[in-house]
Amino acid sequence: DAGVIQSPRHEVTEMGQEVTLRCKPISGHDYLFWYRQTMMRGLELLIYFNNNVPIDDSGMPEDRFSAKMPNASFSTLKIQPSEPRDSAVYFCASSPGRDTQYFGPGTRLTVL
Amino acid sequence: AQSVTQLDSHVSVSEGTPVLLRCNYSSSYSPSLFWYVQHPNKGLQLLLKYTSAATLVKGINGFEAEFKKSETSFHLTKPSAHMSDAAEYFCVVSDLVRRTGTASKLTFGTGTRLQVTL
Repeated sequence: DAGVIQSPRHEVTEMGQEVTLRCKPISGHDYLFWYRQTMMRGLELLIYFNNNVPIDDSGMPEDRFSAKMPNASFSTLKIQPSEPRDSAVYFCASSPGRDTQYFGPGTRLTVL
Repeated sequence: AQSVTQLDSHVSVSEGTPVLLRCNYSSSYSPSLFWYVQHPNKGLQLLLKYTSAATLVKGINGFEAEFKKSETSFHLTKPSAHMSDAAEYFCVVSDLVRRTGTASKLTFGTGTRLQVTL
């Protein structure tokens, strides 16, 4: 299995631009999670899906952030408009429904 | 509410010497506990997990951890450090309060950076 796949691995953009991060979970996993990692706040859960349905988005920082999961093999996290304080590493993880989550390599976002 | 405390933000050991990374947890229920490792510019990799079976859990790369309920601890150990072990290690607790269709939420510690010197 290829594991969780994220793209792009690095993204540099200017303030105000739209950013779209992509994730392909492990096949057969029912849960998909989006996390953000910063030096100041560590790892934070942003949102998670079960069977493509958003279950808990209480961690999404504000309306500029949105996430979708149109099918079982693809999810996006969008930031519009982006701001410098959004700079972070964004991780996607998937789970077969038990406790264990498997993480992707992350997308390092830099907003100038 | 659940929480996890990693007692050391930075640990330095010499290659070939034992590793001890300390973790204490707080949970209202019988928790699941995990250790993840993150190498520089990489994602998080699962090292091992405890889910109420044997209290001594063996993981990958020679790591193991012991669940001690009386001490609310889940310390990570390795008998002999290798240069490739240098990374950030996260202790994680998972709640088991779950409704149908919901997932366990992971609470991450702040991480311990392990440095291995020659």
